[in-house]
Amino acid sequence: DIQMTQSPSTLSASVGDRVTITCRASQSISSWLAWYQQKPGNAPKLLIYLASTLQSGVPSRFSGSGSGTEFTLTISSLQPDDFATYYCHQYSSYSLTFGQGTKVEIK
Amino acid sequence: QVQLLQSGAEVMKPGASVKVSCKASGFTFTNYVIHWVRQAPGHRPEWMGWINAGNDDKKYSQRFQGRVTFTRDTSARTAYMELSSLRSEDTAVYFCARGPYDGSGYWAYWGQGTLVTVSS
Repeated sequence: DIQMTQSPSTLSASVGDRVTITCRASQSISSWLAWYQQKPGNAPKLLIYLASTLQSGVPSRFSGSGSGTEFTLTISSLQPDDFATYYCHQYSSYSLTFGQGTKVEIK
Repeated sequence: QVQLLQSGAEVMKPGASVKVSCKASGFTFTNYVIHWVRQAPGHRPEWMGWINAGNDDKKYSQRFQGRVTFTRDTSARTAYMELSSLRSEDTAVYFCARGPYDGSGYWAYWGQGTLVTVSS
């Protein structure tokens, strides 16, 4: 299976901060990467697919970049609703895998 | 609007089987692939596999091969996931999810989740 590694595991930030989360794949996945936001008790919510395509209805402060093995999710100005856990997810191979998650906490 | 409505929480004994349902509405059920994903408490989501609701093709994650079975009832617009030989490590929230029409493996639509607790 392709291993996905996110960093950091936890991030403390303030409202208005620019936040960047990194995801690395153990082998090239081209641009077959999605990002999800998850809040406690809820299903994951799709933010980005194909590494950089914003899902309909997702605020433009979210953006994704990268290809091959290294990817980033950026929140340009953190809002109160953005405190959550974020997961990257590769769908390149027949076996789909997720990163371990990055929890964005209030500083 | 697209909705996936899952069955309610289950408490199961070790060694038993559980069957979770996922009822679809708001789209043509047989045009899509339904994926199953589970998430143990405090852990990352884990993909279990998919079923093509139209032609009944299936793909299971190797991790669950032999223990999981996906079925669907097109007249009821419902997909099912059955997991057998349950053990405590199977305690998790189980989700069904639907991706885009082209079958790509990312998911904009999710069920609300079904908590399965395995305990003696």
